[in-house]
Amino acid sequence: SQELEQSPQSLIVQEGKNLTINCTSSKTLYGLYWYKQKYGEGLIFLMMLQKGGEEKSHEKITAKLDEKKQQSSLHITASQPSHAGIYLCGAVPNAGGTSYGKLTFGQGTILTVHP
Amino acid sequence: DTGVSQDPRHKITKRGQNVTFRCDPISEHNRLYWYRQTLGQGPEFLTYFQNEAQLEKSRLLSDRFSAERPKGSFSTLEIQRTEQGDSAMYLCASSYHRTWGGRAPYEQYFGPGTRLTVT
Repeated sequence: SQELEQSPQSLIVQEGKNLTINCTSSKTLYGLYWYKQKYGEGLIFLMMLQKGGEEKSHEKITAKLDEKKQQSSLHITASQPSHAGIYLCGAVPNAGGTSYGKLTFGQGTILTVHP
Repeated sequence: DTGVSQDPRHKITKRGQNVTFRCDPISEHNRLYWYRQTLGQGPEFLTYFQNEAQLEKSRLLSDRFSAERPKGSFSTLEIQRTEQGDSAMYLCASSYHRTWGGRAPYEQYFGPGTRLTVT
């Protein structure tokens, strides 16, 4: 089965600093999703990547999927307290079959941004 | 459409009682997923539907768990004879999956979750 490892597990930064969260897969990624979660709440969709080398941005958050499609990074520029939360990467485990569509998740990265 | 909704948001129940949760997906979405999340972990897949058909169930879904999506719209997840280990956040998600051509992944949107506490 596919496993996702996120690093770091937690991150504390000062407001205005840049930061990067990584997600590494044990198998080829056919779709990589990034979500943000506030404690006790649901997941907020950020971005989905599917092609090797693909990069997407939304406001100050940029996500990339490497060419070999086994690692993704999430980069936040000039962090703000509103960026604080848990960032989760999720992946589609295979390219087809009845399991297609369900997501396997990493354990999450807890981000704290001090004003 | 305001997104995926779940009801109730919180449920406290005593061990041995039955509970039922409801999920209303985004209206045009034909796929609906249930996940479970415990503290400090990412969500774990439980089951999913395409329209009214339940296509896959995880090994995590014991016989005490049952899910339905009778008309291909909303879904319910029932837990019978709850145990303390069932305490978790139950998340519902939906996506639109083309039934023809291509196998590209689809954007999957989550609801706010139902937090279950079994005492």
